[in-house]
Amino acid sequence: QKEVEQNSGPLSVPEGAIASLNCTYSDRGSQSFFWYRQYSGKSPELIMFIYSNGDKEDGRFTAQLNKASQYVSLLIRDSQPSDSATYLCAVGRNTGKLIFGQGTTLQVKP
Amino acid sequence: GAGVSQTPSNKVTEKGKYVELRCDPISGHTALYWYRQSLGQGPEFLIYFQGTGAADDSGLPNDRFFAVRPEGSVSTLKIQRTERGDSAVYLCASSLAGATETQYFGPGTRLLVL
Repeated sequence: QKEVEQNSGPLSVPEGAIASLNCTYSDRGSQSFFWYRQYSGKSPELIMFIYSNGDKEDGRFTAQLNKASQYVSLLIRDSQPSDSATYLCAVGRNTGKLIFGQGTTLQVKP
Repeated sequence: GAGVSQTPSNKVTEKGKYVELRCDPISGHTALYWYRQSLGQGPEFLIYFQGTGAADDSGLPNDRFFAVRPEGSVSTLKIQRTERGDSAVYLCASSLAGATETQYFGPGTRLLVL
């Protein structure tokens, strides 16, 4: 079992729809959770971080964390073609080291 | 302000050669991280520096890999006797203070070992 698991996709949604990206992790000691966006040929770019159970909203993005279920998700509202990218879930134990999932490819179709 | 910078952006070398990859973190960031990313995979942790010292080098795959950060700013990742399997994008990230802080990534160095 991988430490951080994501469905590789591709996840295809129409423009304007809600995209839901999911991530599970195996280490119950994990304390920090990050979502990065990575365009093809580029480096990861931070979208959001979340530390506490519940929802955290930032513009069109909402991160959701459920530590009991070891599950973290990212919702993208009003998806745009420019949101098409690979979304990486990363998990940390506040030791500096981040463990990344393999990423989910999102395609937003006009 | 300036982000994390990495040089070179691309490096092609032959099997068995030695390479050095450089990372210049965001000014004022005390923590620096190296990751390696293969095609279709997420970044894989290599090493984490807090200041000049390596706080965690558990991700270095073998003793051919070594990294330094002598003055607590710029870091160099050194790979000896390169192998074709070392081909990947090497990413550097920095954070303000360390373990709990958000990491910001540089553009990466694409290493190709022929």
